[in-house]
Amino acid sequence: AQSVAQPEDQVNVAEGNPLTVKCTYSVSGNPYLFWYVQYPNRGLQFLLKYITGDNLVKGSYGFEAEFNKSQTSFHLKKPSALVSDSALYFCAVRDIGDSSYKLIFGSGTRLLVRP
Amino acid sequence: NAGVTQTPKFQVLKTGQSMTLQCAQDMNHNSMYWYRQDPGMGLRLIYYSASEGTTDKGEVPNGYNVSRLNKREFSLRLESAAPSQTSVYFCASQSQGFSYEQYFGPGTRLTVT
Repeated sequence: AQSVAQPEDQVNVAEGNPLTVKCTYSVSGNPYLFWYVQYPNRGLQFLLKYITGDNLVKGSYGFEAEFNKSQTSFHLKKPSALVSDSALYFCAVRDIGDSSYKLIFGSGTRLLVRP
Repeated sequence: NAGVTQTPKFQVLKTGQSMTLQCAQDMNHNSMYWYRQDPGMGLRLIYYSASEGTTDKGEVPNGYNVSRLNKREFSLRLESAAPSQTSVYFCASQSQGFSYEQYFGPGTRLTVT
């Protein structure tokens, strides 16, 4: 069965410092991996995805993520955090072989960037 | 181009009442999804429609029904609401092309008393 783990409920970081939000996954086949962000009282917004190719993928708002197949991880990173990055972040996975295109989401990590 | 729209934005129901949540997308996507979001549990899939004319159960389908009315619209019905269905409900759509990400609506906040 597919699953996603986000081991940290909350990540606290000072503005200007680098940030990392962790994600590990489990699928029976090869994964498609995604990061979404949710601001208060809003829907989820797509940040970035890994489908194939370069293990380091870049997305919106200066975020990037590194796919590590041996560690089954897809951690979200940003070199310099902004207060406006404070939000709820979700990692999601889809098994390439799943023809329903279903995404499995992690439980979410709240990022708090302090001034 | 409105993307994914949902109505209503907020709803309060009494236990046992019924209601339908509406979702529409204008991106010509084939697949549509209904999720519920509860604190600490992320998003859980209720039902999905991989293409027009088909619907399938997700992770938490009990107490819900869906209708894929046409390619644009996918509704979620609560026949007899229960307090356990208090949640935020999100609709999403996805193309079957190279763009694999799902696009989400703004959500419906439902409270069942």
